[in-house]
Amino acid sequence: EVQLVQSGAEVKKPGESLKISCKGSGYSFTSYWIGWVRQMPGKGLEWMGIIYPGDSDTRYSPSFQGQVTISADKSISTAYLQWSSLKASDTAMYYCARLAAARPIDYWGQGTLVTVSS
Amino acid sequence: SYVLTQPPSVSVAPGKTARITCGGNNIGSKSVHWYQQKPGQAPVLVIYYDSDRPSGIPERFSGSNSGNTATLTISRVEAGDEADYYCQVWDSSSDHQVFGGGTKLTVL
Repeated sequence: EVQLVQSGAEVKKPGESLKISCKGSGYSFTSYWIGWVRQMPGKGLEWMGIIYPGDSDTRYSPSFQGQVTISADKSISTAYLQWSSLKASDTAMYYCARLAAARPIDYWGQGTLVTVSS
Repeated sequence: SYVLTQPPSVSVAPGKTARITCGGNNIGSKSVHWYQQKPGQAPVLVIYYDSDRPSGIPERFSGSNSGNTATLTISRVEAGDEADYYCQVWDSSSDHQVFGGGTKLTVL
């Protein structure tokens, strides 16, 4: 059974750093892309970027370039999304998602709620 | 960058047909995917490649795509269909995935 299991909810202060994770199982982790999607409270889905764990090819949506870092450790089938300095506006639910090249998202993680507040 | 435009809301009575549109420049030349998201849950794929249905999705869900508009059609709407619906494409010119703004389907 394919699963994407994300790390738990986080509460952070502005300026702090954070790294959240997404562990894949039940499939060849290096053969699919992992994307990250932001959903701010009461708002829609926003595509942040994508990584191919097989070779770490990473692409960022222009709105998120320079704001976050996407990485992956294929040895433990885990992808990451990290911030070096959080802002209150980073408060959101973050989903990881699996997709093959030129195909739709077929599996989603359960989401990680990040709350940034002083 | 490529923009997908959805109506913020659509309302329909039970048993009737709901149509949710997704507008984009020459979207008919792209493959459109649709996701359903219920409150507190992750999105679920309901239509892919314009009109294909994943296993487990009722036949009541269908899709079409032509010109500048893609459409998700839900026939014989049920209360359980009430959710937010998002269209999505891959924009080859920028090599990025793009979501529409989402449409809240309300079952009256």
